[in-house]
Parts: sequence; C-alpha cells; structure tokens
Amino acid sequence: DGGITQSPKYLFRKEGQNVTLSCEQNLNHDAMYWYRQDPGQGLRLIYYSQIVNDFQKGDIAEGYSVSREKKESFPLTVTSAQKNPTAFYLCASTANRGDGETQYFGPGTRLLVL
Amino acid sequence: AQKVTQAQTEISVVEKEDVTLDCVYETRDTTYYLFWYKQPPSGELVFLIRRNSFDEQNEISGRYSWNFQKSTSSFNFTITASQVVDSAVYFCALNQGGSEKLVFGKGMKLTVNP
Repeated sequence: DGGITQSPKYLFRKEGQNVTLSCEQNLNHDAMYWYRQDPGQGLRLIYYSQIVNDFQKGDIAEGYSVSREKKESFPLTVTSAQKNPTAFYLCASTANRGDGETQYFGPGTRLLVL
Repeated sequence: AQKVTQAQTEISVVEKEDVTLDCVYETRDTTYYLFWYKQPPSGELVFLIRRNSFDEQNEISGRYSWNFQKSTSSFNFTITASQVVDSAVYFCALNQGGSEKLVFGKGMKLTVNP
C-alpha cells in the first residue's frame, strides 16, 4: 500500500538529548513537510523540502534540523536547543512541487519530555 | 498576510443533526487554494477537499458539502445527518499562490453523540 509512515508513534526525550523522528513515503512524491501541532492549535510549518538535497525553513525552524538524502525520506531531528519540544509532529508530502498542491499526512509522532 | 479563522472551537450535536463548520480566510492574492482536513482521534490528518480561488462552485460529496463565497471570504463545510464517526477535529487551511506553505486555522472539535 502506498502511503506515508512515521516512526515511532511515541517518543520520549530526556533533557539535553537530540532525538530523530522518521518520515518515509512510497508515493514517489517530490515535496515533503514537517509540522508541529500543539493542543488546541493549528499546525505550524517547521521545515519543507521540494527536492532531494534541498530544504527550507518554515515558520518555527529554530531548534530543529532536517535532511533529505533520499526522495522517500525526510527525517526531523529535535535538538537540545528546542526548549519546548513536547508536541505532536506530522509529516506530509505532495506529488509535485509548487503552490496549491494537496498535502497528504502521515499518522504522526507524539514527542514527550521526561 | 494570510490568516484562517475558525471561530467555533468546539461543537456538540446529536446524531442525525446537520452541522456547519465556519471558515473565514484572509489573503491579498487573487490566486489561492483552500482545503479542509479531518483529524480523528488517531491523529492523522485526512484530506477532504481542495478548492482554488477561481472555482466558486459549491461541492457535495455524500453527506458533506462545501460553500465557497469569495464575497465574504468564507469556505464553510456542512455535514448533513451527522454520524458518530464524524466526531473529529476539522481544520480549514489556505495556500497562497506562489507559496509552498499551508496556513491552518486552529481547528474545530466536533462531537457527535448517539
């Protein structure tokens, strides 16, 4: 089945620790996105990538890093510089680059701080 | 600046009632795209509809219908004869022409009681 997978479903981070959230898609989509969702809030864009080996900061990139070494993979690292990382993280992808494309979402990863 | 407002934060109805979810948007562009997504308790965002700014035709899909009115900058969503499975958080989102970003409203939690 084609789709977007995110792992793990739940992730626990200790103080000062970097953690990496996985996002994989087998839809052959060009563009991929990372969003953060806080309770009672809409989604906010962290980073996005339109093509392999290229990515751009979104609205809340501080404390996060990404890579796009393969078309199907777009991992997100939450660094120790992110002081309030507890949130629900959603990955999305679109078939083509450009505006107006429909974004399809993965099941999400819930990150909690110990 | 782009903005999406979902004034209702939470609605509770009884099964078989009709319910309308309001969405008001702000953008300076003449080319833009509007979306509705459903987020069930599992967390994944499910795409419902995409509409571009040049297509003001209303749309009906089963029990779902959408009313797009540029004159009032609104893109409202109606569920007819609601069912318990419709219980979810619903997000309206805006994509401005020439931009990769989706701007989300804060979401509206719908609870359908049996």
